[in-house]
Parts: sequence; C-alpha cells; structure tokens
Amino acid sequence: EAQVTQNPRYLITVTGKKLTVTCSQNMNHEYMSWYRQDPGLGLRQIYYSMNVEVTDKGDVPEGYKVSRKEKRNFPLILESPSPNQTSLYFCASSLSYSMNTEAFFGQGTRLTVV
Amino acid sequence: GENVEQHPSTLSVQEGDSAVIKCTYSDSASNYFPWYKQELGKGPQLIIDIRSNVGEKKDQRIAVTLNKTAKHFSLHITETQPEDSAVYFCAASIYSEYGNKLVFGAGTILRVKS
Repeated sequence: EAQVTQNPRYLITVTGKKLTVTCSQNMNHEYMSWYRQDPGLGLRQIYYSMNVEVTDKGDVPEGYKVSRKEKRNFPLILESPSPNQTSLYFCASSLSYSMNTEAFFGQGTRLTVV
Repeated sequence: GENVEQHPSTLSVQEGDSAVIKCTYSDSASNYFPWYKQELGKGPQLIIDIRSNVGEKKDQRIAVTLNKTAKHFSLHITETQPEDSAVYFCAASIYSEYGNKLVFGAGTILRVKS
C-alpha cells in the first residue's frame, strides 16, 4: 500500500530535550515536505526536499532541522524544543518537485512541549 | 509570496443541502489549485484539483470552479452527507526554481447535521 508513515503519532517532551520525528514514504517520490498545523493558520511549510541531499527552508523553519540521506526518509529534528513548537506536524511527499502532482500526507504527529 | 485566504472558517449545513467554500489567492502566477479533506485524526487527503487552464471540474458530488481574473476558486459539495463532515483545505501552487510549492488556506470545518 502506497503510504507516508510518521512516527511517533503522539509525543510529550520537555523544553530543550532533542527529539526526532521520522517520516518514510514507499512511493519513490522525489519531493518531501514537513508542515505544521495550528488552529486558524492552516498548514505551513517548515522544510522541504527536492531530492536526496537537497533540502531548503520553507516558511517557518526556525528551530527545526531536516536531512535527506535516502530518498524514502525525511526526518524532522528539533534540537532544543520550546513550547511554541507545540503543534500537529505532517510529513508529505509527491512525485516530483517540478510537476504539480498530488501530495500524500502522513497521519500526523501531535507534539506537546512542556 | 503567495497568500491564500479561505472562507468561511466553519460551516454547518443540514444533510442533503449544498456546501460552498471559497478561497482567494494573491499570486497570478499560481497554476494549480487542489482541495484536501482532513478527517479527524488523519492527514489531509486530496479530493479534487483544478489547473489554471480549466474553469470547472466535477467529480460526482463535488465540483471546483476557478476564476483566474478574480483570483478565486471554490469548492462545491452537493447533497451533503454526514461523512462529508471534516476540515477542508484549499491550496495554490506556484512554480519557482525551487519547485512547485503549495500554500494552504487556514481551513474550513464543515459539519453536516443529520
């Protein structure tokens, strides 16, 4: 089954404790993104990757890092989480960065930073 | 950069009635307009999309219209059913040297009352 898998689904952590949210897709997609969803703000892009070893900032990149060492994986790293990073996070992938094609989303990770 | 505004933020309709959600975008270079449905506890899923060379597209009970001159597009759901209750996001895609980027509206919570 074609899918984007995120882990964990739920996470409560303390301020400053480094964490990683994993994302994996099995569709051989080139393009992958991370979004955060906050009430009244919709989905905002954090980082994106056009292909292996090619990543760039989205609209709200502060406090986040990503890497793309393999085509299928695109982890999101919070080096020193703060309460304002409490949010619902989605990873998404699409076939190519150069074509308008469907974006497939993961199930989401609800992160709470206390 | 691109900005997408979505209205209304919440919409309640009686089962069997129609629902309309409207979006406006700011960048006339946007050329792809998808709509996503997010059910509770799940990631957004594409339900219909339209490209800038088309004015209207239908798929069973859902349709999307695009007015490029006015820079707005709308989602129409006819004969609504309880399973249509969800959050709906519009998006606009603009191409740059960094690829096609989706910018999302803030979302509309649709409640279908039976």
